[in-house]
Amino acid sequence: EPEVTQTPSHQVTQMGQEVILRCVPISNHLYFYWYRQILGQKVEFLVSFYNNEISEKSEIFDDQFSVERPDGSNFTLKIRSTKLEDSAMYFCASSAEQGATKNIQYFGAGTRLSVL
Amino acid sequence: AQSVSQHNHHVILSEAASLELGCNYSYGGTVNLFWYVQYPGQHLQLLLKYFSGDPLVKGIKGFEAEFIKSKFSFNLRKPSVQWSDTAEYFCAVRATGTYKYIFGTGTRLKVLA
Repeated sequence: EPEVTQTPSHQVTQMGQEVILRCVPISNHLYFYWYRQILGQKVEFLVSFYNNEISEKSEIFDDQFSVERPDGSNFTLKIRSTKLEDSAMYFCASSAEQGATKNIQYFGAGTRLSVL
Repeated sequence: AQSVSQHNHHVILSEAASLELGCNYSYGGTVNLFWYVQYPGQHLQLLLKYFSGDPLVKGIKGFEAEFIKSKFSFNLRKPSVQWSDTAEYFCAVRATGTYKYIFGTGTRLKVLA
């Protein structure tokens, strides 16, 4: 079964540094998403991306965050200047545009970001 | 604002016991409803979904859920749990017209052999 893959599985960074979290969505999917889960809290939506632009974003997704699909396979989340409160598990997801699995999001295993 | 509540944060059961995990949401419009499971170290995996039609939906691994519109609920059930069902379970809602899922806090299930 095709999977969403995320790298790295754990990223440690110093406060103020930039980080890029990487995701390879399922190959025929055209909608991409990032979510995060701070330890002990709910999984929260950050952003959705379709046709090379952001289609929806939450209030969490401020100017410190950006997303990009730099090539035909990767989808990245960049945090420009990390803060302690950015420490969380970040999940990437993707979904198909049409067909039986339309509107079903498939998730990666997550990247644990630790900001020191 | 839309929200999803899962009332059971930790559940411990013996093998063969029956399971019911509660999920309630607050949104007045049409929704898609999901249950995901996350085994340790693995990705969130879809257990089942409700889009429309029969409110009793069956998913993988013997799980089922019932959508009760009047109660804004989508409870997950399994008649007889196994040790391998030990995992965290997430209820999620997607309002039509949006892309985002709203998740509940998750329920950690531990099944004792």
